[in-house]
Amino acid sequence: SQKIEQNSEALNIQEGKTATLTCNYTNYSPAYLQWYRQDPGRGPVFLLLIRENEKEKRKERLKVTFDTTLKQSLFHITASQPADSATYLCALDASGGNNRKLIWGLGTSLAVNP
Amino acid sequence: NAGVMQNPRHLVRRRGQEARLRCSPMKGHSHVYWYRQLPEEGLKFMVYLQKENIIDESGMPKERFSAEFPKEGPSILRIQQVVRGDSAAYFCASSPTDGTEAFFGQGTRLTVV
Repeated sequence: SQKIEQNSEALNIQEGKTATLTCNYTNYSPAYLQWYRQDPGRGPVFLLLIRENEKEKRKERLKVTFDTTLKQSLFHITASQPADSATYLCALDASGGNNRKLIWGLGTSLAVNP
Repeated sequence: NAGVMQNPRHLVRRRGQEARLRCSPMKGHSHVYWYRQLPEEGLKFMVYLQKENIIDESGMPKERFSAEFPKEGPSILRIQQVVRGDSAAYFCASSPTDGTEAFFGQGTRLTVV
């Protein structure tokens, strides 16, 4: 069956360090992959989208890589700040480029300590 | 632009009652998606609608659940005869076209007692 796995354990890092979160998937050939941030009691907020033909995407302190051979995406936050503390969700397109079939990971909780 | 608006934020229903969840998409967005989130299961797709049309309801239970997105007014997710297992956070998202980022509302937390 289709499966997405993210780091199940919470990630604790020191302010200023780089946080790296992992998203692995099986039995998919997604057209794109998205990363979202979710704070407690709130809806997910879109961060980055990377397409299958892109190896890397950047936005300010965020960087996403997408390795379709390894079936893995890495999400990096450089120069992390306490305000980056949240749960980060990985979502895959499973319908050839249509949002209606986004499959979601359970998320990784990140805590950035001052 | 006020963003995706969902109401109510919290809803408590007794078993057997009906729950109505409302979602107003962002201005200019004609695609609406409903998701359910349980603590240990992550977000699950329920239904995808465009104005006056259900495009994909493959994630929605066949019984008791229905959704609509009328020409005028918000999208409605309706759960009839609620049971305890329906307790969850229900999120609505909208996008201007398929295959682009989705903007989420704050969710409605349904508790069935």
